[in-house]
Amino acid sequence: DGGITQSPKYLFRKEGQNVTLSCEQNLNHDAMYWYRQDPGQGLRLIYYSQIVNDFQKGDIAEGYSVSREKKESFPLTVTSAQKNPTAFYLCASSSEAGYGYTFGSGTRLTVV
Amino acid sequence: AQKITQTQPGMFVQEKEAVTLDCTYDTSDQSYGLFWYKQPSSGEMIFLIYQGSYDEQNATEGRYSLNFQKARKSANLVISASQLGDSAMYFCAMREAYSGGGADGLTFGKGTHLIIQP
Repeated sequence: DGGITQSPKYLFRKEGQNVTLSCEQNLNHDAMYWYRQDPGQGLRLIYYSQIVNDFQKGDIAEGYSVSREKKESFPLTVTSAQKNPTAFYLCASSSEAGYGYTFGSGTRLTVV
Repeated sequence: AQKITQTQPGMFVQEKEAVTLDCTYDTSDQSYGLFWYKQPSSGEMIFLIYQGSYDEQNATEGRYSLNFQKARKSANLVISASQLGDSAMYFCAMREAYSGGGADGLTFGKGTHLIIQP
């Protein structure tokens, strides 16, 4: 079955560490996205990529970095510059037309 | 200014009753799309229904329908005959016109926490 796989499901980070969240899709979608969700809040766009080797900042890109070396993969790195990284992170993909968005099951990141 | 406004932080509804979840949006684009997602406690985002700005008919998907009032910039979700399994967070989201020919992502409201009571 086609879908999006995010790993790990839970991630713990120490202060000052960089951590990388994985997102893989087998839907042959061109566009991929990273969202952050804080408790009781909606999703906010961190980064998105419409094509391999290209990506754009979303609304809250500071302290995050991404790469898009393969169509199937869009990993997100939470750097030490992100001062409040504890949140739920969701990856999504869409077809070029943007009529359907598929989400992964999310990664819950906690700073310890 | 918020692009998507959901004014009901939480709602309690009796099982089998119909539910209306409010959503208003703000855009200057002529071409846009409106989405509703359900998020249970597990965190996954489940697509419910889609309405395009040029669609003349209100979208329907099973027990879900979208009351689209373009002039009022309103896209309320209606759930008929609510069930206990409908208890979840519900998010309204909008896709605006593309830049560079690709999809720019969705803008989400803050959500409504719906609780269905037996």
